[in-house]
Amino acid sequence: KAGVTQTPRYLIKTRGQQVTLSCSPISGHRSVSWYQQTPGQGLQFLFEYFSETQRNKGNFPGRFSGRQFSNSRSEMNVSTLELGDSALYLCASSLVQGGVDEQFFGPGTRLTVL
Amino acid sequence: AQSVTQLGSHVSVSEGALVLLRCNYSSSVPPYLFWYVQYPNQGLQLLLKYTTGATLVKGINGFEAEFKKSETSFHLTKPSAHMSDAAEYFCAVSEIRSSASKIIFGSGTRLSIRP
Repeated sequence: KAGVTQTPRYLIKTRGQQVTLSCSPISGHRSVSWYQQTPGQGLQFLFEYFSETQRNKGNFPGRFSGRQFSNSRSEMNVSTLELGDSALYLCASSLVQGGVDEQFFGPGTRLTVL
Repeated sequence: AQSVTQLGSHVSVSEGALVLLRCNYSSSVPPYLFWYVQYPNQGLQLLLKYTTGATLVKGINGFEAEFKKSETSFHLTKPSAHMSDAAEYFCAVSEIRSSASKIIFGSGTRLSIRP
């Protein structure tokens, strides 16, 4: 069974631009969660989608948004990029909603904002 | 609210020595507890998890962890460290309830293995 895939793996943007990251979950998984990982803040929860609906949200500004499609694939968008948005963005999928089951992580997208 | 504290951002042990990574949690309801490992340039991989039942949980690569409710701890151990164990380890907690649950991760512990 194929794992979680994330595209692109690396991305370089400049301040003020916007970016869209993509995540394809494991087949059959309907929950997709997004995390931001930085050396200073560690692993922080962004949001979770289940059956095309956002079910949970972390403490991030509205510049961070996402969506999930009917095939469970998910996209995350960051608008008006800031230097502090430079991070590894991880996507994780699971069978059930709500973080009570094992999450399977993708390799991440490393975003650099110049 | 749930939270996780990992004691020690960096732990260094000799090859063959005992590995002990500490994790304490806070939760208002019975928790699910997880340990994940992250190798360089990769995503996280589940090592083991505790949900209910036996408090000593065995995971992959020879790791195990014990849920101690009275101490609100879930420390990760391995009797004999191997060079391939060098990685970052994350403890995580999730509360057993419905859709409001989410996984909260600790700040991580980087494990180094000395030859």
